[in-house]
Amino acid sequence: AQSVTQPDIHITVSEGASLELRCNYSYGATPYLFWYVQSPGQGLQLLLKYFSGDTLVQGIKGFEAEFKRSQSSFNLRKPSVHWSDAAEYFCAVGAGSNYQLIWGAGTKLIIKP
Amino acid sequence: NAGVTQTPKFQVLKTGQSMTLQCAQDMNHNSMYWYRQDPGMGLRLIYYSASEGTTDKGEVPNGYNVSRLNKREFSLRLESAAPSQTSVYFCASSGTGVRNTIYFGEGSWLTVV
Repeated sequence: AQSVTQPDIHITVSEGASLELRCNYSYGATPYLFWYVQSPGQGLQLLLKYFSGDTLVQGIKGFEAEFKRSQSSFNLRKPSVHWSDAAEYFCAVGAGSNYQLIWGAGTKLIIKP
Repeated sequence: NAGVTQTPKFQVLKTGQSMTLQCAQDMNHNSMYWYRQDPGMGLRLIYYSASEGTTDKGEVPNGYNVSRLNKREFSLRLESAAPSQTSVYFCASSGTGVRNTIYFGEGSWLTVV
């Protein structure tokens, strides 16, 4: 069965430091991969997505993610975080059916001033 | 720029009461969804509607019913609320197919006492 694992429940990063959020998936073929962000009290917003082609994808707000088939990973990165990046980040995998994404449990990003 | 609008934003119910969460989207999307979000569990799909007139069960449909009233509107009904249904509920919509970006409402916080 398909699954998505985000190993880190919380991550604390100093403002201006680099960020990497981990996402591992389990799926037999190449999946569709997504990162969404949820600001406090809000719905989720798409950051970026990968379907095929270049394994490094760029998203909004200066985020990028790299698909590594050999590691079944799709980690999210940002070179320098801002206080406004404090939010919860969700990795999701689309596979098989045409409607259901499989969601990770989320990683809460805390920014230290 | 309304996007996905859901009401109410907050609701407290007594066990056994019923209520309906309303959702409307103005993006002409075929697909609409209801998710629930619980701490540490990510998003779980309750029901899905691929198009007007069709609905399908998701991962956690028990205790819920839905109605796709027209292309714009997709409501979620709790017939007899239980404390286990205390959660944050998100309505969402997208174009047809898992490759499409999902757009979320701002959430409805439901407490069942």
